[in-house]
Amino acid sequence: ETGVTQSPTHLIKTRGQQVTLRCSSQSGHNTVSWYQQALGQGPQFIFQYYREEENGRGNFPPRFSGLQFPNYSSELNVNALELDDSALYLCASSLAGTRPGELFFGEGSRLTVL
Amino acid sequence: QQQVKQSPQSLIVQKGGISIINCAYENTAFDYFPWYQQFPGKGPALLIAIRPDVSEKKEGRFTISFNKSAKQFSLHIMDSQPGDSATYFCAAKPGTGANNLFFGTGTRLTVIP
Repeated sequence: ETGVTQSPTHLIKTRGQQVTLRCSSQSGHNTVSWYQQALGQGPQFIFQYYREEENGRGNFPPRFSGLQFPNYSSELNVNALELDDSALYLCASSLAGTRPGELFFGEGSRLTVL
Repeated sequence: QQQVKQSPQSLIVQKGGISIINCAYENTAFDYFPWYQQFPGKGPALLIAIRPDVSEKKEGRFTISFNKSAKQFSLHIMDSQPGDSATYFCAAKPGTGANNLFFGTGTRLTVIP
């Protein structure tokens, strides 16, 4: 059973640029959610996808967008990067209908915006 | 506004001692309260979780105590070990809607030999 994998692990962008982060869900999981973890803080919910549709969103602006693919892999896209977007971006997968709230996290993509 | 408040920010415990981390919430719509453990460079991993219909749950050395009327819950780590040194996050999930968790700000636990 493969866990949640994310790529890239680290990346550096400049303000105004766009970034795409990728995630492969744990085998058999059909729900993926993305979290932003600023340094020294807890993860903050960005959005969740189930069956390729966004079905929940946190307090993040529209320049944060995502996709879920038929194989349950996922992308997080951030446009017009701002300095405050520097954070660890975590992808988490889960299986809808089982143990709600039990998320399996990847190791994250650390984004630095200069 | 922080929906789940966690304390202390950091904690140093002697090996064999008891580590206690506290959390409080306001939203009565929360119905699931997990604790996650995060090691440096890793993603958070589910440690133990509780629903508000029970007051305590124990798994090995880890125990959650839950006080519904006070809207507080805590994690107790018995016989703390150096390998327990990590950052611990409490979280809460609403009963309806997406599978989103509201996390506390984390407690960095250091267990000294």
